[in-house]
Amino acid sequence: EVQLVESGGGLVQPGGSLRLSCAASGFTFSSYEMNWVRQAPGKGLEWVSYISSSGSTIYYADSVKGRFTISRDNAKNSLYLQMNSLRAEDTAVYYCARDSRVTANAFDIWGQGTMVTVSS
Amino acid sequence: QSALTQPASVSGSPGQSITISCTGTSSDVGGYNYVSWYQQHPGKAPKLMIYEVSNRPSGVPDRFSGSKSGNTASLTISGLQAEDEADYYCSSYTSSSTLRVFGTGTKVTVL
Repeated sequence: EVQLVESGGGLVQPGGSLRLSCAASGFTFSSYEMNWVRQAPGKGLEWVSYISSSGSTIYYADSVKGRFTISRDNAKNSLYLQMNSLRAEDTAVYYCARDSRVTANAFDIWGQGTMVTVSS
Repeated sequence: QSALTQPASVSGSPGQSITISCTGTSSDVGGYNYVSWYQQHPGKAPKLMIYEVSNRPSGVPDRFSGSKSGNTASLTISGLQAEDEADYYCSSYTSSSTLRVFGTGTKVTVL
Protein backbone atom coordinates (compact mmCIF):
# COMPACT_ATOMS: atom_id res chain seq x y z
CA GLU A 1 0.00 0.00 0.00
CA VAL A 2 1.26 3.42 -0.94
CA GLN A 3 1.56 5.39 2.28
CA LEU A 4 3.02 8.50 3.87
CA VAL A 5 3.22 8.76 7.66
CA GLU A 6 4.21 12.00 9.36
CA SER A 7 5.63 12.28 12.86
CA GLY A 8 7.43 14.75 15.09
CA GLY A 9 4.66 17.24 15.80
CA GLY A 10 3.95 18.60 19.24
CA LEU A 11 3.86 21.64 21.48
CA VAL A 12 6.79 24.07 21.23
CA GLN A 13 7.39 27.55 22.61
CA PRO A 14 7.70 30.58 20.33
CA GLY A 15 11.25 30.82 19.05
CA GLY A 16 11.76 27.09 19.43
CA SER A 17 12.56 24.37 16.92
CA LEU A 18 10.96 21.14 15.77
CA ARG A 19 11.84 18.52 13.16
CA LEU A 20 9.07 16.76 11.29
CA SER A 21 9.54 13.44 9.51
CA CYS A 22 7.55 11.71 6.81
CA ALA A 23 8.08 7.99 6.23
CA ALA A 24 7.19 6.72 2.76
CA SER A 25 6.30 3.16 1.84
CA GLY A 26 4.78 1.21 -1.03
CA PHE A 27 6.49 3.16 -3.81
CA THR A 28 9.95 4.11 -5.05
CA PHE A 29 10.46 7.19 -2.90
CA SER A 30 13.64 8.28 -4.66
CA SER A 31 11.73 8.77 -7.94
CA TYR A 32 9.24 11.29 -6.60
CA GLU A 33 9.27 15.00 -5.82
CA MET A 34 7.82 15.79 -2.41
CA ASN A 35 6.17 18.67 -0.57
CA TRP A 36 5.06 19.90 2.82
CA VAL A 37 1.62 21.52 3.04
CA ARG A 38 0.10 22.94 6.23
CA GLN A 39 -3.35 23.85 7.48
CA ALA A 40 -3.91 26.16 10.43
CA PRO A 41 -6.89 25.28 12.64
CA GLY A 42 -10.11 26.14 10.81
CA LYS A 43 -8.18 27.60 7.88
CA GLY A 44 -7.26 26.62 4.33
CA LEU A 45 -4.33 24.75 2.86
CA GLU A 46 -0.98 26.50 2.51
CA TRP A 47 1.87 25.06 0.46
CA VAL A 48 5.09 25.23 2.51
CA SER A 49 7.98 23.65 0.63
CA TYR A 50 9.05 21.45 -2.30
CA ILE A 51 12.06 19.21 -2.87
CA SER A 52 13.04 17.44 -6.07
CA SER A 53 13.61 13.70 -6.19
CA SER A 54 17.36 14.07 -5.83
CA GLY A 55 17.15 16.89 -3.30
CA SER A 56 19.00 19.28 -5.56
CA THR A 57 16.10 21.69 -6.12
CA ILE A 58 14.19 23.26 -3.25
CA TYR A 59 11.51 25.92 -2.95
CA TYR A 60 9.85 27.57 0.05
CA ALA A 61 6.80 29.71 0.71
CA ASP A 62 7.73 33.29 1.61
CA SER A 63 6.17 32.79 5.06
CA VAL A 64 8.78 30.18 6.05
CA LYS A 65 11.81 31.12 3.95
CA GLY A 66 14.92 31.42 6.10
CA ARG A 67 13.34 29.57 9.04
CA PHE A 68 12.37 26.15 7.64
CA THR A 69 14.60 23.63 5.85
CA ILE A 70 13.29 20.72 3.78
CA SER A 71 15.46 17.67 3.19
CA ARG A 72 15.20 14.00 2.30
CA ASP A 73 17.06 10.74 2.77
CA ASN A 74 16.26 8.47 -0.16
CA ALA A 75 18.10 5.56 1.46
CA LYS A 76 15.71 5.80 4.41
CA ASN A 77 12.61 6.64 2.32
CA SER A 78 12.12 9.71 4.45
CA LEU A 79 11.28 13.39 4.06
CA TYR A 80 12.03 15.99 6.72
CA LEU A 81 11.13 19.54 7.68
CA GLN A 82 13.40 21.34 10.13
CA MET A 83 11.46 24.24 11.61
CA ASN A 84 13.36 26.96 13.50
CA SER A 85 12.34 30.31 15.03
CA LEU A 86 8.78 29.07 15.30
CA ARG A 87 5.94 31.57 15.61
CA ALA A 88 2.35 31.29 16.78
CA GLU A 89 1.22 31.56 13.16
CA ASP A 90 3.11 28.35 12.34
CA THR A 91 0.54 26.42 14.39
CA ALA A 92 -1.03 23.97 11.95
CA VAL A 93 -1.43 20.40 10.83
CA TYR A 94 1.54 19.63 8.60
CA TYR A 95 1.03 17.19 5.73
CA CYS A 96 3.64 15.63 3.51
CA ALA A 97 2.37 15.21 -0.04
CA ARG A 98 3.77 13.38 -3.03
CA ASP A 99 3.94 15.03 -6.44
CA SER A 100 2.39 13.01 -9.24
CA ARG A 101 4.84 11.73 -11.85
CA VAL A 102 2.13 12.14 -14.50
CA THR A 103 2.04 15.92 -14.34
CA ALA A 104 3.19 19.01 -12.48
CA ASN A 105 1.38 20.50 -9.48
CA ALA A 106 -0.72 17.49 -8.53
CA PHE A 107 -0.34 16.11 -5.02
CA ASP A 108 -1.56 12.55 -5.51
CA ILE A 109 -0.72 10.99 -2.14
CA TRP A 110 -1.03 12.69 1.27
CA GLY A 111 -0.10 11.65 4.77
CA GLN A 112 -2.52 11.89 7.68
CA GLY A 113 -0.79 14.97 9.05
CA THR A 114 1.00 15.87 12.26
CA MET A 115 -0.08 18.74 14.51
CA VAL A 116 2.36 21.48 15.47
CA THR A 117 1.32 23.92 18.19
CA VAL A 118 3.45 26.97 18.91
CA SER A 119 2.46 28.47 22.24
CA SER A 120 3.93 29.56 25.54
CA GLN B 1 2.18 35.20 -3.61
CA SER B 2 -1.47 35.63 -2.61
CA ALA B 3 -3.89 32.74 -2.37
CA LEU B 4 -6.18 32.07 -5.31
CA THR B 5 -9.72 33.37 -4.75
CA GLN B 6 -12.58 30.94 -4.23
CA PRO B 7 -16.13 31.54 -2.95
CA ALA B 8 -16.40 30.73 0.74
CA SER B 9 -19.41 28.50 0.27
CA VAL B 10 -21.57 26.90 -2.39
CA SER B 11 -24.67 24.79 -1.83
CA GLY B 12 -27.01 22.66 -3.85
CA SER B 13 -29.67 19.99 -3.55
CA PRO B 14 -29.01 16.32 -4.31
CA GLY B 15 -28.94 15.75 -8.04
CA GLN B 16 -28.21 19.35 -8.88
CA SER B 17 -25.00 20.72 -10.39
CA ILE B 18 -22.75 23.27 -8.72
CA THR B 19 -19.66 25.11 -9.90
CA ILE B 20 -16.79 26.41 -7.81
CA SER B 21 -14.59 29.14 -9.25
CA CYS B 22 -10.90 29.70 -8.62
CA THR B 23 -9.51 33.06 -9.72
CA GLY B 24 -5.85 33.88 -10.01
CA THR B 25 -3.63 35.87 -12.33
CA SER B 26 -1.69 35.44 -15.55
CA SER B 27 1.27 34.34 -13.39
CA ASP B 28 -0.54 31.27 -12.13
CA VAL B 29 -3.98 30.02 -13.26
CA GLY B 30 -3.95 32.00 -16.50
CA GLY B 31 -0.40 31.16 -17.43
CA TYR B 32 -0.32 27.40 -17.02
CA ASN B 33 -2.58 24.39 -17.41
CA TYR B 34 -1.35 23.05 -14.07
CA VAL B 35 -4.48 23.61 -12.01
CA SER B 36 -5.53 20.87 -9.62
CA TRP B 37 -8.50 20.44 -7.28
CA TYR B 38 -8.70 18.72 -3.89
CA GLN B 39 -11.57 17.46 -1.75
CA GLN B 40 -11.20 17.46 2.02
CA HIS B 41 -13.65 15.96 4.46
CA PRO B 42 -13.49 17.12 8.11
CA GLY B 43 -10.50 15.72 9.94
CA LYS B 44 -9.16 14.01 6.84
CA ALA B 45 -6.29 14.63 4.46
CA PRO B 46 -7.06 16.25 1.11
CA LYS B 47 -7.73 14.04 -1.92
CA LEU B 48 -6.75 14.85 -5.51
CA MET B 49 -9.87 15.17 -7.67
CA ILE B 50 -8.69 16.97 -10.82
CA TYR B 51 -5.25 17.67 -12.32
CA GLU B 52 -4.11 19.64 -15.38
CA VAL B 53 -7.35 21.67 -15.30
CA SER B 54 -9.68 18.88 -16.42
CA ASN B 55 -8.17 15.43 -15.93
CA ARG B 56 -9.54 12.99 -13.36
CA PRO B 57 -7.31 10.51 -11.54
CA SER B 58 -8.41 6.91 -11.61
CA GLY B 59 -11.26 6.30 -9.19
CA VAL B 60 -12.68 9.83 -9.18
CA PRO B 61 -16.32 9.80 -10.36
CA ASP B 62 -17.01 11.45 -13.71
CA ARG B 63 -19.49 13.71 -11.89
CA PHE B 64 -16.45 15.86 -11.18
CA SER B 65 -15.17 17.96 -14.07
CA GLY B 66 -12.82 20.90 -14.45
CA SER B 67 -12.31 23.74 -16.89
CA LYS B 68 -10.49 27.03 -17.28
CA SER B 69 -11.11 30.37 -18.96
CA GLY B 70 -8.48 33.07 -18.72
CA ASN B 71 -7.38 33.53 -15.13
CA THR B 72 -10.30 31.54 -13.67
CA ALA B 73 -10.54 27.79 -13.26
CA SER B 74 -13.73 26.00 -12.32
CA LEU B 75 -14.76 22.71 -10.73
CA THR B 76 -18.24 21.41 -11.54
CA ILE B 77 -19.95 18.68 -9.57
CA SER B 78 -22.89 17.23 -11.49
CA GLY B 79 -25.55 15.07 -9.87
CA LEU B 80 -24.59 16.29 -6.40
CA GLN B 81 -24.54 13.57 -3.74
CA ALA B 82 -24.51 13.72 0.05
CA GLU B 83 -20.93 12.44 0.18
CA ASP B 84 -19.78 15.41 -1.91
CA GLU B 85 -20.29 17.66 1.10
CA ALA B 86 -16.73 18.74 1.91
CA ASP B 87 -14.21 21.54 1.51
CA TYR B 88 -12.68 21.99 -1.94
CA TYR B 89 -9.39 23.67 -2.78
CA CYS B 90 -7.83 24.61 -6.08
CA SER B 91 -4.09 24.83 -6.62
CA SER B 92 -1.93 26.22 -9.38
CA TYR B 93 1.66 26.22 -10.45
CA THR B 94 3.01 29.76 -10.32
CA SER B 95 5.90 31.54 -11.98
CA SER B 96 6.68 33.32 -8.72
CA SER B 97 9.55 32.13 -6.54
CA THR B 98 7.13 30.16 -4.40
CA LEU B 99 6.24 27.61 -7.13
CA ARG B 100 2.79 26.55 -5.86
CA VAL B 101 -0.30 28.30 -4.53
CA PHE B 102 -3.61 27.08 -3.11
CA GLY B 103 -7.03 28.66 -3.26
CA THR B 104 -8.85 30.03 -0.23
CA GLY B 105 -11.16 27.03 -0.13
CA THR B 106 -14.89 26.48 -0.67
CA LYS B 107 -17.28 24.69 1.65
CA VAL B 108 -19.83 22.69 -0.34
CA THR B 109 -23.10 21.98 1.42
CA VAL B 110 -25.62 19.47 0.15
CA LEU B 111 -29.04 20.71 1.20
